[in-house]
Amino acid sequence: DAGVTQSPTHLIKTRGQHVTLRCSPISGHKSVSWYQQVLGQGPQFIFQYYEKEERGRGNFPDRFSARQFPNYSSELNVNALLLGDSALYLCASSSGQGNQPQHFGDGTRLSIL
Amino acid sequence: AQRVTQPEKLLSVFKGAPVELKCNYSYSGSPELFWYVQYSRQRLQLLLRHISRESIKGFTADLNKGETSFHLKKPFAQEEDSAMYYCALRGGIQGAQKLVFGQGTRLTINP
Repeated sequence: DAGVTQSPTHLIKTRGQHVTLRCSPISGHKSVSWYQQVLGQGPQFIFQYYEKEERGRGNFPDRFSARQFPNYSSELNVNALLLGDSALYLCASSSGQGNQPQHFGDGTRLSIL
Repeated sequence: AQRVTQPEKLLSVFKGAPVELKCNYSYSGSPELFWYVQYSRQRLQLLLRHISRESIKGFTADLNKGETSFHLKKPFAQEEDSAMYYCALRGGIQGAQKLVFGQGTRLTINP
């Protein structure tokens, strides 16, 4: 069971740059969600995608965007990086049907200098 | 607005003692409540959900709609229970996956 995989595991960027984070869901899962976890806090919802369509969006600026591909993998893009974007970015997948729970990846640790 | 509150950031108990991690929520509809756990150097994983009404690793949690609470309990703590615990709420339309998390409680079981 491969589980949810995310890449890269760690990333260091400077202010103003952009970043792309990647996520592969569990095989058979069609829904992918992204969360931001700042140190000392719980994860905060950014986006949900299901069957390549955006199903939900959290309270994040337009600098954050995402997409889902035909194989259900997903990318999270962040433009014009700010120091406050430093966080652990988590991806979670689920079947997207009914009340199935989400399964999380290990996350990508993004540090902004 | 959807909100989850875990009033204790840190909780320390001795092995064999009872454990209760508190979770209160704010939601106008019928929410789904979850407890997620993160052990050291491991990913966030689902511990239990209220609709399953099951006991996992000796933990139980009952949804109390009157008190808007979903406290996590275990009668006899074990050292391997030391971890970070997050309470989470899912509301909204069927199929919506947005989880609202509390800030988490770090549980330490002392030998």
